[in-house]
Amino acid sequence: AQSVTQPDIHITVSEGASLELRCNYSYGATPYLFWYVQSPGQGLQLLLKYFSGDTLVQGIKGFEAEFKRSQSSFNLRKPSVHWSDAAEYFCAVSPGGYNKLIFGAGTRLAVHP
Amino acid sequence: EAGVVQSPRYKIIEKKQPVAFWCNPISGHNTLYWYRQNLGQGPELLIRYENEEAVDDSQLPKDRFSAERLKGVDSTLKIQPAELGDSAVYLCASSGVTDTQYFGPGTRLTVL
Repeated sequence: AQSVTQPDIHITVSEGASLELRCNYSYGATPYLFWYVQSPGQGLQLLLKYFSGDTLVQGIKGFEAEFKRSQSSFNLRKPSVHWSDAAEYFCAVSPGGYNKLIFGAGTRLAVHP
Repeated sequence: EAGVVQSPRYKIIEKKQPVAFWCNPISGHNTLYWYRQNLGQGPELLIRYENEEAVDDSQLPKDRFSAERLKGVDSTLKIQPAELGDSAVYLCASSGVTDTQYFGPGTRLTVL
């Protein structure tokens, strides 16, 4: 069965520091991969997605993610974190297409001034 | 354009009571999804509609949950009767030709 693992439940970084959120997936073929962000009381907002092609994907708000097939990973990165980035981040996989998203448990990001 | 609209935003009920959630998707989006998000977890798909047809309801607990999308636009998710374990955030999402899913703000249900 397909699954998504986000190993870090909570991460705290200082404002201006770099960020990497980890995501590993389990799927026989190359799935479609997504990162969403959820702020308190808000719905999920799509940050970026990977279908094929260039393994480094650029998203909104200065985020990027790199697909590594050999590691079954799709880690999210940002070179310099802003206080407004504090939120919960979800990695998701869609086996064979968009129509069913399987989410990880999320990583809660706190940003210290 | 307007995003996915959900109401109510919050609902507190006693167990065994019925409850209903409403979703209005983005205009022109034919595909509508209901997800449940338990505390500390990622969302899990309950049901997916293509226009009026429920094409994936394998994760919907059909003994107490029901959903409808009568005219292929708005949708209602109902729980009757509610149980303590139903406390969660219920998210609605929609997608169009690009298949990217856009989420509403959710309804936070508390069952006492």
